[in-house]
Amino acid sequence: GAVVSQHPSWVICKSGTSVKIECRSLDFQATTMFWYRQFPKQSLMLMATSNEGSKATYEQGVEKDKFLINHASLTLSTLTVTSAHPEDSSFYICSAKASGSYEQYFGPGTRLTVT
Amino acid sequence: AQSVTQLGSHVSVSEGALVLLRCNYSSSVPPYLFWYVQYPNQGLQLLLKYTSAATLVKGINGFEAEFKKSETSFHLTKPSAHMSDAAEYFCAVSDVGTASKLTFGTGTRLQVTL
Repeated sequence: GAVVSQHPSWVICKSGTSVKIECRSLDFQATTMFWYRQFPKQSLMLMATSNEGSKATYEQGVEKDKFLINHASLTLSTLTVTSAHPEDSSFYICSAKASGSYEQYFGPGTRLTVT
Repeated sequence: AQSVTQLGSHVSVSEGALVLLRCNYSSSVPPYLFWYVQYPNQGLQLLLKYTSAATLVKGINGFEAEFKKSETSFHLTKPSAHMSDAAEYFCAVSDVGTASKLTFGTGTRLQVTL
């Protein structure tokens, strides 16, 4: 149980375009989802926390207008990178947790390359 | 603010040798502590967690960790390394309760040699 999927697993887009990444909890209801960014050979940096039906809470330094997060249902959250630039190229990982649980379950990640 | 420090960004051990990956935390109260493993181009898999119960925690794949409040440490060990253990390991900390924002350490890459 507790499986989280991400789609796509990798994506290449041109500079200036937008790309959407989906995060789904397959077998539980995720009241909270987290989005992380990981640069090569570095740790995970929390970008934002989203609760179902509410606006996401962004970490300091993360541009909320650039990284749009939607958590419209208990099984789906999306991250849209708007007007992507090469410096947005990274590995994006989501995690999800159920209400009353402290444990986060991680998705397999999405590698974004902006050319 | 909470933080974790992982000493050693890279650890190399021989197959069959003891694995010891170090993690120290900074928190005003005993937090929840986690160890995750990440294989290349994959997400994170939970190895084990400490949530205020037994201080010696056993996880998957033969790993275990001991919470030592006096040392503010949560080191990960495995008695005998296997080639398949080669991966990146992250220690993480969160507040007690379900608020659960995780703060990750910088990671330790474990290399296992023949």
